[in-house]
Amino acid sequence: ETGVTQTPRHLVMGMTNKKSLKCEQHLGHNAMYWYKQSAKKPLELMFVYSLEERVENNSVPSRFSPECPNSSHLFLHLHTLQPEDSALYLCASSIAGAPYNEQFFGPGTRLTVL
Amino acid sequence: TQLLEQSPQFLSIQEGENLTVYCNSSSVFSSLQWYRQEPGEGPVLLVTVVTGGEVKKLKRLTFQFGDARKDSSLHITAAQPGDTGLYLCAGAHGSARQLTFGSGTQLTVLP
Repeated sequence: ETGVTQTPRHLVMGMTNKKSLKCEQHLGHNAMYWYKQSAKKPLELMFVYSLEERVENNSVPSRFSPECPNSSHLFLHLHTLQPEDSALYLCASSIAGAPYNEQFFGPGTRLTVL
Repeated sequence: TQLLEQSPQFLSIQEGENLTVYCNSSSVFSSLQWYRQEPGEGPVLLVTVVTGGEVKKLKRLTFQFGDARKDSSLHITAAQPGDTGLYLCAGAHGSARQLTFGSGTQLTVLP
């Protein structure tokens, strides 16, 4: 138990569906992240929320939309996804400005797009 | 783009053997972290190294940061099936909010 929870753990959706992934951290951190993990590829940082500032990877398609209502909760809204978006989506949290940016990950949501 | 290359990509060994995995880059990092990810779970932080030449030990795991802070290695002594997992290295630059991850070494330790 890392103190970061993600729901759902598994999600199968069609290309026309809209769904949301949820992440919650119980560590008192103030930075949260979404990563995409595909087989044989490095973790791809999608979005960062740190001290209420959002940083995004410009290569992430607009069909992925993050929301961070407070420092403990993070959402990833999905719509009109493509099969190549199938992957493990990981949420992480850390202490903003900490010396080494050590991150604590949730268990991930395994997403399959049909 | 600051890339981290990990080798080998896959490693399968018998219980009791020793092994070393590597994390290399052409970039200098201010710190480097190692994570282990087990099936169905997210990565878990094992260690952070920050000083060139630094060696840290965690039970049977020995982590080393290269003198030039461009590379790192993880040595496991007398591997056990519980060591099975994906080992990821991640580097940070200065006070950057982002980590650069390698693609990992998938280790399987057979009983």
